[in-house]
Amino acid sequence: GENVEQHPSTLSVQEGDSAVIKCTYSDSASNYFPWYKQELGKGPQLIIDIRSNVGEKKDQRIAVTLNKTAKHFSLHITETQPEDSAVYFCAAATGTASKLTFGTGTRLQVTL
Amino acid sequence: EAGVAQSPRYKIIEKRQSVAFWCNPISGHATLYWYQQILGQGPKLLIQFQNNGVVDDSQLPKDRFSAERLKGVDSTLKIQPAKLEDSAVYLCASSDRGSEKLFFGSGTQLSVL
Repeated sequence: GENVEQHPSTLSVQEGDSAVIKCTYSDSASNYFPWYKQELGKGPQLIIDIRSNVGEKKDQRIAVTLNKTAKHFSLHITETQPEDSAVYFCAAATGTASKLTFGTGTRLQVTL
Repeated sequence: EAGVAQSPRYKIIEKRQSVAFWCNPISGHATLYWYQQILGQGPKLLIQFQNNGVVDDSQLPKDRFSAERLKGVDSTLKIQPAKLEDSAVYLCASSDRGSEKLFFGSGTQLSVL
């Protein structure tokens, strides 16, 4: 089955700096790659997603890049703010979202 | 728009006891999922329903876990008997038909002592 690895497990940045989280996947048939943000005591919330026919996608301060050849994708957050502090999960799916395999998460802390 | 509702928020039981979790998805969402999230890990799919039919339960430990979705709306996940390793957050999610965007509830945190 699919295996998703995520790095780093923790990331601390100063407010205003950029943050980058990287994931690799094993199944070359995977074609859907969402990113979820999970705040303490809440369920994961979808923040951005990308499909395998697209190399990059942006939404305001967040962007995701995908390298199908290398089987890795990354989340980029620019101009980080304290409210960006949370656990971020990458995921990969083949065909439908029901087959989502999640990474192990990255705890991002944005310090003042 | 109301989100995915789950209850209870927390549950503490002893091993070998039974427990049940309830989920009410977003109105109109045909697909409902139950995920297990062990501390420090990403969510793992336990079961997926399309309306009131099971689409995928390949990772559900069927000897102790069961789930149902009556009338294609609310769903209940049950564990009987519970084991220590079942301690986790149980997340319910729903999605609209044909959509890959999952909306998660806040989860039920289960502690098995």
